[in-house]
Amino acid sequence: AQSVTQPDIHITVSEGASLELRCNYSYGATPYLFWYVQSPGQGLQLLLKYFSGDTLVQGIKGFEAEFKRSQSSFNLRKPSVHWSDAAEYFCAVGVFTGGGNKLTFGTGTQLKVEL
Amino acid sequence: DADVTQTPRNRITKTGKRIMLECSQTKGHDRMYWYRQDPGLGLRLIYYSFDVKDINKGEISDGYSVSRQAQAKFSLSLESAIPNQTALYFCATSETRDQETQYFGPGTRLLVL
Repeated sequence: AQSVTQPDIHITVSEGASLELRCNYSYGATPYLFWYVQSPGQGLQLLLKYFSGDTLVQGIKGFEAEFKRSQSSFNLRKPSVHWSDAAEYFCAVGVFTGGGNKLTFGTGTQLKVEL
Repeated sequence: DADVTQTPRNRITKTGKRIMLECSQTKGHDRMYWYRQDPGLGLRLIYYSFDVKDINKGEISDGYSVSRQAQAKFSLSLESAIPNQTALYFCATSETRDQETQYFGPGTRLLVL
């Protein structure tokens, strides 16, 4: 079965600093990979996704992620964090089963931004 | 207006009560999902439906049931609520031609006393 690991439960960065959130997955084939963000009291918003092709994908709000097959990783990055980026971030892997797709989520990383 | 709506947004109920959470979407998507979110556990899939006549159990379906009344409506029922069903519940949708991307509603916060 597929699984997703987000090893960092909490991360604190200063505003303007760079950010990298780690995500490792376990799946036997090429996965579909996603990053979602959840702001306090809000639902999940899709930041970016990887299906195939260029392993560096760009998303909304200045985020990017790089798929590294050799490391089974899909880390999320941002060069300069803004205070409004404080939220919880979820990595997910999409797997086809019985003709349809299901998402398996990691446990999330809570990002705090210090001003 | 939001594409995926959930009602109610907050609900307090007592152990043993039957409750229903509703999800509606205006995106025209054929696939719908119910997840629950617990602190430290991320989101876990309860049920999913690929069209009106298709219902599938997810990883944690015990104690829950669903109804797909129409393409746009997908309801989650707790037949006899228990305290460990206290959680944040999310509905999501996707479409067949872009089935990997799911779009989430704002969530329903449920407290079972």
